[in-house]
Amino acid sequence: GAVVSQHPSRVICKSGTSVKIECRSLDFQATTMFWYRQFPKQSLMLMATSNEGSKATYEQGVEKDKFLINHASLTLSTLTVTSAHPEDSSFYICSASGGGSAAFFGQGTRLTVV
Amino acid sequence: GESVGLHLPTLSVQEGDNSIINCAYSNSASDYFIWYKQESGKGPQFIIDIRSNMDKRQGQRVTVLLNKTVKHLSLQIAATQPGDSAVYFCAENKGGGGGFKTIFGAGTRLFVKA
Repeated sequence: GAVVSQHPSRVICKSGTSVKIECRSLDFQATTMFWYRQFPKQSLMLMATSNEGSKATYEQGVEKDKFLINHASLTLSTLTVTSAHPEDSSFYICSASGGGSAAFFGQGTRLTVV
Repeated sequence: GESVGLHLPTLSVQEGDNSIINCAYSNSASDYFIWYKQESGKGPQFIIDIRSNMDKRQGQRVTVLLNKTVKHLSLQIAATQPGDSAVYFCAENKGGGGGFKTIFGAGTRLFVKA
């Protein structure tokens, strides 16, 4: 159990365009979802926390107008990178919690902005 | 500031030997810790967790030890196998906004030599 699926696993987009990444909890209801960014050889950096039906809470230094997060249902959260630039190229990972203490992670999305 | 960090960035062990990965944390109020394994290009995989009211917890081939006096956490892997090669992160749950968020340490890369 506790499977979290992300889509797409890889995406390449042109500079200035927007990209949407989906995160789904497949076998449980995720009351809270988290979005992380990971640069090569670095740790995961928390970007934001979202609760179903509420606005996301962003970490300090993360632009909420650039990284739009929607958590419209208990099984789906989306992250939209707006007006992407090469410096936004990274590995984006979501995790989901069903109310317990442990969060379970998706397989990640490799974003490359050219 | 508050952080969860690691003493060793890399660890190389011989197949069959035991591995010990260490982690230091600074927030004495933290009450829940998790170890994750991340293989290249994938999301973190839950290994084992421990609450602050425990000193030790065992899983299959893995043991987590918590020393609250010195704020130290370790992951022991018995009979290390090539498939254990990955980056290991300790993580700490921090409360906030009515829920929690999982903050990651820097990570240790484990190399298993055949």
